[in-house]
Amino acid sequence: KAGVTQTPRYLIKTRGQQVTLSCSPISGHRSVSWYQQTPGQGLQFLFEYFSETQRNKGNFPGRFSGRQFSNSRSEMNVSTLELGDSALYLCASTPKTSGVYEQYFGPGTRLTVT
Amino acid sequence: SQQGEEDPQALSIQEGENATMNCSYKTSINNLQWYRQNSGRGLVHLILIRSNEREKHSGRLRVTLDTSKKSSSLLITASRAADTASYFCATDPLETRGGSNYKLTFGKGTLLTVNP
Repeated sequence: KAGVTQTPRYLIKTRGQQVTLSCSPISGHRSVSWYQQTPGQGLQFLFEYFSETQRNKGNFPGRFSGRQFSNSRSEMNVSTLELGDSALYLCASTPKTSGVYEQYFGPGTRLTVT
Repeated sequence: SQQGEEDPQALSIQEGENATMNCSYKTSINNLQWYRQNSGRGLVHLILIRSNEREKHSGRLRVTLDTSKKSSSLLITASRAADTASYFCATDPLETRGGSNYKLTFGKGTLLTVNP
């Protein structure tokens, strides 16, 4: 099976702009989670989607939003970008199978805000 | 806030040596996982240990879990230069039991450098 894919891989934006990142999970995986990774804060959970519904959300401002489509693909959006939003954004999918919890991560999107 | 805290923050060893990394966490968990991340890339799942397990092996990896101390260790035996990476522990908090909600809480990682 193909792995989790994320597009674009690299992105440069300026403050105040907005950005949309895309994630395609492994075929058959219905749960998609998003994480932000920065040197200072480490890996932080953003939100998780399952069957087009946001089931869980981390402690991030409302500028961060996401959605999931019927084919399980997910997008996250960051509006009014700030310098501190520069980070590696990682998407992960997990199969909806009882007792299986590991997540499969994509390569990430490196966002730089100038 | 970070649930897991890895120790040490950085570890440098020679090829062939064993590497041990520790992880402590704060709240009760369903399971604990270890992931590896090569520089600036996505995370790769290494091993999962459930809260009712005490030890698990996978190839050159050995993971232990002590729920009474809320700690885990990852041992990599006979290390190779290709093992150079950051290693993270991640916990699935007990509050998410039932599978209706799912998220992982990661520590800040241990940077392992294996010198040839």
